[in-house]
Amino acid sequence: AQKVTQAQTEISVVEKEDVTLDCVYETRDTTYYLFWYKQPPSGELVFLIRRNSFDEQNEISGRYSWNFQKSTSSFNFTITASQVVDSAVYFCALSEPATGFQKLVFGTGTRLLVSP
Amino acid sequence: DVKVTQSSRYLVKRTGEKVFLECVQDMDHENMFWYRQDPGLGLRLIYFSYDVKMKEKGDIPEGYSVSREKKERFSLILESASTNQTSMYLCASSLSGRGYEQYFGPGTRLTVT
Repeated sequence: AQKVTQAQTEISVVEKEDVTLDCVYETRDTTYYLFWYKQPPSGELVFLIRRNSFDEQNEISGRYSWNFQKSTSSFNFTITASQVVDSAVYFCALSEPATGFQKLVFGTGTRLLVSP
Repeated sequence: DVKVTQSSRYLVKRTGEKVFLECVQDMDHENMFWYRQDPGLGLRLIYFSYDVKMKEKGDIPEGYSVSREKKERFSLILESASTNQTSMYLCASSLSGRGYEQYFGPGTRLTVT
């Protein structure tokens, strides 16, 4: 069965620190998709990134970067120079080939608290 | 921009009441989803619809039903609300196909007393 593990329940940092959120996944499939979402205090999940299993290139978007490593089944998310606005719950998710990639399996989320 | 709206942000109902949660998306997406979110459990899929009048059970369908009469609207129904259904309910939609991201509504925090 597919599974996504976010072992860090909560992380607290001070503004301008770098922080990495871990995501480890399990799947028997060779084709799959990985996602990160951000849930700010307002509650609405916001899509951040999608990565397919054939593309192991790291991605950088401003202060955000993602490190995808198939060898360790990990898709980690790093925020550089964190800001108070980064405070949110972050979810990692995996698509499910058995349903034609229509469904997502979510991790339990990591709450990030950035203090001034 | 994709817009997914939910009928209420906060809802308080009594045990045994029938509860309707409504979700509307404006981007002509084929797929729609209902999740519940509880602390420490992440998001769990209740039901999924891939077309009008089509539905599939998710991981925790017990105590819930759904209705999709129009492409843009997906309703979650609690036939007889119970206190263990107190939760945050999130609706999402996506295009049909490989690897499309889901777009989420703002959520409905339901309290059953």
